[in-house]
Amino acid sequence: AQTVTQSQPEMSVQEAETVTLSCTYDTSESNYYLFWYKQPPSRQMILVIRQEAYKQQNATENRFSVNFQKAAKSFSLKISDSQLGDTAMYFCAFIPNTGNQFYFGTGTSLTVIP
Amino acid sequence: GAVVSQHPSWVICKSGTSVKIECRSLDFQATTMFWYRQFPKQSLMLMATSNEGSKATYEQGVEKDKFLINHASLTLSTLTVTSAHPEDSSFYICSASSGASTDTQYFGPGTRLTVL
Repeated sequence: AQTVTQSQPEMSVQEAETVTLSCTYDTSESNYYLFWYKQPPSRQMILVIRQEAYKQQNATENRFSVNFQKAAKSFSLKISDSQLGDTAMYFCAFIPNTGNQFYFGTGTSLTVIP
Repeated sequence: GAVVSQHPSWVICKSGTSVKIECRSLDFQATTMFWYRQFPKQSLMLMATSNEGSKATYEQGVEKDKFLINHASLTLSTLTVTSAHPEDSSFYICSASSGASTDTQYFGPGTRLTVL
């Protein structure tokens, strides 16, 4: 069974500061993909960053980067220079290479404080 | 690229009526489309997976006769909530993946359904 756990239901960060959102997962698959999606108040799901499990190098997208620890099955998201527009719900997601179903975490509600 | 639209964005209907929600991939061919349901402040719950030209695969606990899914073309999937009841009120989100990149899903903006 595949599970994704986000242990931080809510977080806040001062504007321009850095924040890290945690995500752990459990799988017996050897190859898979990991994602962070952002869901702002508009409810539109937006892809933030994608990581392929066979790549050791951590993915980065501008102010967003991940710390992927495959052995620990950990996939945290770091947001640098937080902006007010980063306020949203963030979901960690996993998909095995052998399937097409996404497994989502329960989400972390991030608030950026001006 | 990779834009998915949903129509309508919100709908209010009377109990007992049926509502159809459309999900379209605008600039790519979606071999697989997914339908999710999301309750307030909760995660997305996968309802069903549909592949173009074949029957949808429903998740456990989802009534296939109540939530009819049709994926008639590579750019369109529809979800019909039949004989809607107030407990069906929710936010419904579709997503699509292409044959070229089956690992990434692109999400529609969602449809808020309110059943009176």
